[in-house]
Amino acid sequence: EAGVAQSPRYKIIEKRQSVAFWCNPISGHATLYWYQQILGQGPKLLIQFQNNGVVDDSQLPKDRFSAERLKGVDSTLKIQPAKLEDSAVYLCASSLDPGAYGYTFGSGTRLTVV
Amino acid sequence: GENVEQHPSTLSVQEGDSAVIKCTYSDSASNYFPWYKQELGKRPQLIIDIRSNVGEKKDQRIAVTLNKTAKHFSLHITETQPEDSAVYFCAPNRAGTALIFGKGTTLSVSS
Repeated sequence: EAGVAQSPRYKIIEKRQSVAFWCNPISGHATLYWYQQILGQGPKLLIQFQNNGVVDDSQLPKDRFSAERLKGVDSTLKIQPAKLEDSAVYLCASSLDPGAYGYTFGSGTRLTVV
Repeated sequence: GENVEQHPSTLSVQEGDSAVIKCTYSDSASNYFPWYKQELGKRPQLIIDIRSNVGEKKDQRIAVTLNKTAKHFSLHITETQPEDSAVYFCAPNRAGTALIFGKGTTLSVSS
C-alpha cells in the first residue's frame, strides 16, 4: 500500500511571499488532515476534511491560510502572505474515515520563512 | 476542546531500564488513546493504542494502561534500547474527531 505523499519536502521563502503544499492520501482514505508542527512542539491540527468537505478548520488562521480538497482526493494547503512564525513542518495525514482509529502521516514539508 | 498534558517533558534512562510517560486529558468522552513515536526529522508513527473498553494492552516491550476514571493513560517501555530514543506523543480523542497531540516527551536512552 502506497503511503501518504507530500511535496515539496523542503521550501524556503521570504516573508510576505506565498507558498503551497500538496498532499495525496492513501487510496480510499476519505478523511484527510493537515497539521503544523513547530520545532519542539507536538503537531497542531489546522484542518480536517471528510471527502471534499471541511469537518474542522477552527484552528486554521483563515486570514492567511487556505486549504482545499478537490474531488475528495488530493489536497493543497496555501499560505499567503507568509510570516516568520509560519516556519514549521506541515504534515498531512489520512484515515479511512473519521471513525477510524489511528492514521498515517506523510513525510511532511519543512517550510522556512526568512 | 480537549486539553492534553504529558509528563515528564524529558526523560533520560540507562539502556535496559524501564520508562513511563503519563498523559492526562480533559474530555471524558474520549474513547481512543494512541501513542506516537517521532524520531528526529521523521514523521510521527503509531506504536500502540488502546480503546476505552480495555484497561491495558501490551506489544512486546511496550504497553499502554488506561485509567478512564482519572482521565489518564500511560506508555510503558521495558528493557529500553538506544533506538527507543525519540519524542513520544499521546493523542487522546473521540471517534470522528481529529487527534489532538500533547507537547511530547523526549526520551533519551544511553548505553
